[in-house]
Amino acid sequence: GAVVSQHPSWVICKSGTSVKIECRSLDFQATTMFWYRQFPKQSLMLMATSNEGSKATYEQGVEKDKFLINHASLTLSTLTVTSAHPEDSSFYICSAMAPRGAETQYFGPGTRLLVL
Amino acid sequence: EDQVTQSPEALRLQEGESSSLNCSYTVSGLRGLFWYRQDPGKGPEFLFTLYSAGEEKEKERLKATLTKKESFLHITAPKPEDSATYLCAVQGRGGGADGLTFGKGTHLIIQP
Repeated sequence: GAVVSQHPSWVICKSGTSVKIECRSLDFQATTMFWYRQFPKQSLMLMATSNEGSKATYEQGVEKDKFLINHASLTLSTLTVTSAHPEDSSFYICSAMAPRGAETQYFGPGTRLLVL
Repeated sequence: EDQVTQSPEALRLQEGESSSLNCSYTVSGLRGLFWYRQDPGKGPEFLFTLYSAGEEKEKERLKATLTKKESFLHITAPKPEDSATYLCAVQGRGGGADGLTFGKGTHLIIQP
């Protein structure tokens, strides 16, 4: 149980294009999902909290107009990197919070983004 | 601001050589402390959640303990397949946020 998937696992794009990453909870409903970013040899940094049916909450320093988050259903959240630039190249990982009372977050396998 | 510091940054052990990884934290009201394992190029894999000082949890060769200031991940008689980066994270009560604050991890290598 508690499986989270991401798609795609790898994406290479040209500078200036937009990229959409999907995060799905496969066997449970998640009212809250999270998006993290991880640079090489660094730890995970929280970018935003995604709540089903409402606007995402962004961490300080994260541009909400650049990283668009949509949480359209209880099993799907999407992150769109708009007008991507080389400095956006990173490993993007989503997590989903288990049903109320459990607090634990289960992570997806991550999406490696390379912007040329 | 929640903070997590893990030590050592890297640890190389012989197979069967037991040791402990440390996670020191400061948080405004601890809701939970989490241990994850991360293999290269993959997302973190959940290991344990600890909620209060004195709590302990075990899974195979791993045992996690918690005090008011730190947590330890004890690894007993490790095998090469235990090689990975072990991440510690906290979830605090401040500001109503549910996101985790992670440490930089301990890169563990178990040599056969």
